[in-house]
Amino acid sequence: QKEVEQDPGPLSVPEGAIVSLNCTYSNSAFQYFMWYRQYSRKGPELLMYTYSSGNKEDGRFTAQVDKSSKYISLFIRDSQPSDSATYLCAMGQYSSASKIIFGSGTRLSIRP
Amino acid sequence: NAGVTQTPKFRVLKTGQSMTLLCAQDMNHEYMYWYRQDPGMGLRLIHYSVGEGTTAKGEVPDGYNVSRLKKQNFLLGLESAAPSQTSVYFCASSPYGEQYFGPGTRLTVT
Repeated sequence: QKEVEQDPGPLSVPEGAIVSLNCTYSNSAFQYFMWYRQYSRKGPELLMYTYSSGNKEDGRFTAQVDKSSKYISLFIRDSQPSDSATYLCAMGQYSSASKIIFGSGTRLSIRP
Repeated sequence: NAGVTQTPKFRVLKTGQSMTLLCAQDMNHEYMYWYRQDPGMGLRLIHYSVGEGTTAKGEVPDGYNVSRLKKQNFLLGLESAAPSQTSVYFCASSPYGEQYFGPGTRLTVT
């Protein structure tokens, strides 16, 4: 079983829709959680970073963490064609610099 | 702030040749990382460093060496390139937790 599971998609939604991207994990030792956006042929760009259960909002993006269920989500409101990219979840432990696990990524396409 | 930069952006090598990839960060981060990203394999950690003068192996270190002589730079070396090392290489830096990535180096080994 992988430590982090992420639906690879592809996910296609119309412009303006609310998008929900999800990851599940098995290791309860993970302490912080991240979401990255990666455009084709570019490096991953950090979108959200959180270390507590609950919601964190930044503009049109909301990151949700449920440590009891080992489940994290990224919501994108009022989706735009420019949001079309691959989204990676990641999680880590402060006690180990190398213990950072990335999901395989969900490819998202926003239809104009 | 340039963030994390990588040199070169593209490179084609013949089997057996050597090369060094350079990563530089201007955010004064302690931690630096080298990953490779391959289709269907996701990001895999090659080597990492928790501070100037330190290096450690990651998940896939074979065939690679690294050095961190200065806090802002992290070098990845391939001593004898193999076709299996064809990949996109990303460097990342971190203050302690979240990572910031560079734009990547596309390496092809023929």
